[in-house]
Amino acid sequence: NAGVTQTPKFQVLKTGQSMTLQCAQDMNHNSMYWYRQDPGMGLRLIYYSASEGTTDKGEVPNGYNVSRLNKREFSLRLESAAPSQTSVYFCASTRDSIQAFFGQGTRLTVV
Amino acid sequence: DAKTTQPPSMDCAEGRAANLPCNHSTISGNEYVYWYRQIHSQGPQYIIHGLKNNETNEMASLIITEDRKSSTLILPHATLRDTAVYYCIANNAGNMLTFGGGTRLMVKP
Repeated sequence: NAGVTQTPKFQVLKTGQSMTLQCAQDMNHNSMYWYRQDPGMGLRLIYYSASEGTTDKGEVPNGYNVSRLNKREFSLRLESAAPSQTSVYFCASTRDSIQAFFGQGTRLTVV
Repeated sequence: DAKTTQPPSMDCAEGRAANLPCNHSTISGNEYVYWYRQIHSQGPQYIIHGLKNNETNEMASLIITEDRKSSTLILPHATLRDTAVYYCIANNAGNMLTFGGGTRLMVKP
């Protein structure tokens, strides 16, 4: 049982480049989340998907887009990366918003 | 979500109970109290949750005051591996989870 899998684990981008962070869960959960965590800070919610085909903005959605194409997968896209988006990105899923399961994170550096 | 307030840091001696407080004075009747922790730079890990009654599982105990305005997470015998940031969240089930600053617990030998 893999739980929540994020790819890639590490990425370095140049300013202006685009990339997609992938997240997949195998627990048949309805809700999925994307968070970012800057050094020494707490987690901030970027986007949230309550179910397949639905997405909602969180606290810090600017500069990001998301896709929930099916129940398993929730991707986060940076269209034009900026140094301010250097962070650790966590994906999470939950059946009922009570017990959330997190991936191991994607460490992104934008230079 | 109800706002939660936690001390930024706490120390605990190894083998002793760690008692982590959380204030949530504006919590509404149907909002749960959840606790998560984040060890080093790993993804957060669910610990426990409760609505009104005290709860216990294999990881911890959760004590919620009768007026529900505050709660305490208890790690009965803290180990060095319990060193982490602990997050208290007050939220309706089904709503998106938002995290505050948490309490950085340092367990010392």
